[in-house]
Amino acid sequence: QSVLTQPPSVSGAPGQRVTISCTGTSSNIGAGYDVHWYQQLPGTAPKLLIYGNTNRPSGVPDRFSGSKSKSGTSASLAITGLQAEDEADYYCQSYDSSLSGWVFGGGTKLTVL
Amino acid sequence: QLQLQESGPGLVKPSETLSLTCTVSGGSISSISYYWGWIRQPPGKGLEWIGSIYYSGSTYYNPSLKSRVTISVDTSNNQFSLKLSSVTAADTAVYYCTKEVAATSTGVLTHWFDPWGQGTLVTVSS
Repeated sequence: QSVLTQPPSVSGAPGQRVTISCTGTSSNIGAGYDVHWYQQLPGTAPKLLIYGNTNRPSGVPDRFSGSKSKSGTSASLAITGLQAEDEADYYCQSYDSSLSGWVFGGGTKLTVL
Repeated sequence: QLQLQESGPGLVKPSETLSLTCTVSGGSISSISYYWGWIRQPPGKGLEWIGSIYYSGSTYYNPSLKSRVTISVDTSNNQFSLKLSSVTAADTAVYYCTKEVAATSTGVLTHWFDPWGQGTLVTVSS
């Protein structure tokens, strides 16, 4: 069981908007640690999608955006204008002070209908 | 453009030591803003951080694996390595090496992983 909780799967039709949640606790997201997101296309290595809660690396389309609840224990990844090539697994990552290390969510499989 | 490449045996026997090396190209492993990490992914499962190293040799490990993990760095060859001892079938996974970017956000230290190597599958089996 992962320290950060993500829904196992989400789906949406081309052009639609989907969100993926990442829920933590007071020892990770709730403690103020940043959340980062990765996209893993089938058969490939994960790729950084969002860093520092809301920042996109160069080359990542602005269809992808991240947010973090100001006072809560969760973060979200939003994808607008869904495209077939967005079909992938998505992972959130943060730091956990109780575990003294970097932790990942269990991953969410995005299916484009 | 920075690239990372894992290398090492794809098959390890139970109770033996898994050894992998990551070769960094297109940049120096001695950059002061970066750490270098290992992450693994069992088949069909999620990601697990194993540990990280700074070019000076300073390391930190996942507490759940700490007793079996050793990460070292070879700055002259721009490489860093992973050793995982007493392996079992549960250690079967794709092992990735990655550059770990360290930054401070709102006074809190944060790290993210970018880029990643292509990964190498290590199977533990007799």
